[in-house]
Order: sequence, then C-alpha cells, then structure tokens
Amino acid sequence: DTGVSQNPRHKITKRGQNVTFRCDPISEHNRLYWYRQTLGQGPEFLTYFQNEAQLEKSRLLSDRFSAERPKGSFSTLEIQRTEQGDSAMYLCASSLAGKYEQYFGPGTRLTVT
Amino acid sequence: DQQVKQNSPSLSVQEGRISILNCDYTNSMFDYFLWYKKYPAEGPTFLISISSIKDKNEDGRFTVFLNKSAKHLSLHIVPSQPGDSAVYFCAASGSGNEKLTFGTGTRLTIIP
Repeated sequence: DTGVSQNPRHKITKRGQNVTFRCDPISEHNRLYWYRQTLGQGPEFLTYFQNEAQLEKSRLLSDRFSAERPKGSFSTLEIQRTEQGDSAMYLCASSLAGKYEQYFGPGTRLTVT
Repeated sequence: DQQVKQNSPSLSVQEGRISILNCDYTNSMFDYFLWYKKYPAEGPTFLISISSIKDKNEDGRFTVFLNKSAKHLSLHIVPSQPGDSAVYFCAASGSGNEKLTFGTGTRLTIIP
C-alpha cells in the first residue's frame, strides 16, 4: 500500500523539549499539507508545500514551528520548546496539484507533559 | 470564526435506514466541498466531493447535495450499515486556495 505514512504515531515529550515528525506522501503527489486536530474540532490547516516550496503558512504556525520538504518528497514538522497547548494530533495529507481531494495519513499524536 | 459548521455533534440511525448529515458554510468564495470519514486513531478518509457547479454527486450508497443559495450541503447514506459508524467531517476549499477548511464533525452511530 502506498498511502500517506507518518512517524512516529505517538510522541510524549516534556514541556520545553523539541520534537520532529515525519510525513511520507503518496509517491506521485506533489502537494503536501500539515494540519493539526484537537479534541472536538476538525483538522486545522497549518502549512502546505508544492514540491519543495512552502507556499502558505497559517497564522497558527508560530515561530516555534518549522516545516521542510527538502527534496519534494517527505516532509518534517519540527516544534521547538514545546508547550502543553501543542498537544494535538498532527495530520499530514497529500494531493496532486490542481486536485482538491487530499489524502491523509494516520497522524502523529503529540502529548506534552 | 467558524466558516464551516456542522451543528449536529451526533446522530443515531437504525441500520438500513437513511443517514443525513448536514453542513453549512459562510464563505461565498468556497467552490469545492468534500466529506471525510474518520475512525478512532486513524486519519480522515476521503468519501465524496462536489463542485459548486453541480447540485448533486452520487457514489454508491453516498450522495452529496449542494444548495448554493442556502450555503448548505448534506451527505446522504443509504442504506446505512454498521461500518458507517464514524465521525464525518465536511470540508470546503476556494478557488486558488488550496487548504481545506473543516467543520467540527458529526459522530454517526448506526444501530443494528
């Protein structure tokens, strides 16, 4: 199966630590998106890439967050100096340019203690 | 400001009957709408979509209706099956804006 994969699936960290998540999109998809979902809410857009270019960032993405997609394939999302409010499910999705349908990975659940 | 609203947090339907999930939006720039289904501990799974140039799209047991003047869409599932029990999210996108804006979801429970 060549769906979207995310690692790790779960991450528990102490407040103030840095964490990094990885997303591998569907291989032929050139667009990659990051969303965050908290309890009782729908996914909220964070940022997206077309190939290696980061084209849009939400104001939700504070300067403690950085995302990269260095070779236009996998992407990483790093959170520096984590806070308890960062606890959430971080979802990655991919799509073909020009297509609205996005396909999601299983997510990384972050718990900041 | 919640641009996509799903006002029913939960819905219970008897197996075999029709499930109707509703969604309202406020942003008139949205021109493409999608429904996703989510099981616990999994990412959302794409179900069905509709462009604003249509008022209906059907795929098997799933039909989405769009009423642009009312800024309202609905997802019909018929007949409902136990495996349909999940949280359903409505999402919207605008031309030239690639991100999806999601509603808060409706938890559907199919009663055997």
